[in-house]
Amino acid sequence: DTGVSQDPRHKITKRGQNVTFRCDPISEHNRLYWYRQTLGQGPEFLTYFQNEAQLEKSRLLSDRFSAERPKGSFSTLEIQRTEQGDSAMYLCASIPESSYNEQFFGPGTRLTVL
Amino acid sequence: AQSVTQLDSHVSVSEGTPVLLRCNYSSSYSPSLFWYVQHPNKGLQLLLKYTSAATLVKGINGFEAEFKKSETSFHLTKPSAHMSDAAEYFCVVSDPQAGTALIFGKGTTLSVSS
Repeated sequence: DTGVSQDPRHKITKRGQNVTFRCDPISEHNRLYWYRQTLGQGPEFLTYFQNEAQLEKSRLLSDRFSAERPKGSFSTLEIQRTEQGDSAMYLCASIPESSYNEQFFGPGTRLTVL
Repeated sequence: AQSVTQLDSHVSVSEGTPVLLRCNYSSSYSPSLFWYVQHPNKGLQLLLKYTSAATLVKGINGFEAEFKKSETSFHLTKPSAHMSDAAEYFCVVSDPQAGTALIFGKGTTLSVSS
């Protein structure tokens, strides 16, 4: 399968714990996006990387959130001191530099904070 | 600022009848517009996209959408619904001058009865 992959698919954690999610984009897609989708809502933009550089961050991305893409390939999203309001589906998408259009989405990581 | 309004949160149709999912957008530039579909426990899949070429856009699975600039609309249609069309549908706008992230509507749940 050469699509976008995300790991884990599901994560249940207790409030106050740290969690980390991984996204592997489509090979050679140099742009990578993170979105968050809460129940009954459309996905909302969190942050964007071009290669290893983080170029945009949404105001939704509080200080407890950090994202990295150290070698310009896979990316990680870490949430520190999780809160119940962080419960959501976290989606990753990638797109080649040549395109300003279709983003290819992964299956998402569903986070539940108890 | 960009925004997308999906006018119906839930649409119910009978199998074999037409589908109409309504979407209005707001953008200060010439936007790209998309419809994505999300089946339960599956990733977002692109149905079709408009990128300033033909105003009537054909997508996968018999769906099509018409870009009407005067009405700022991008409604999704299908002549005959199939049971497998039951899913969540998102209207999405992308405005390169306002950043590269996608802006999603809140979604329309399509139910198809036999």
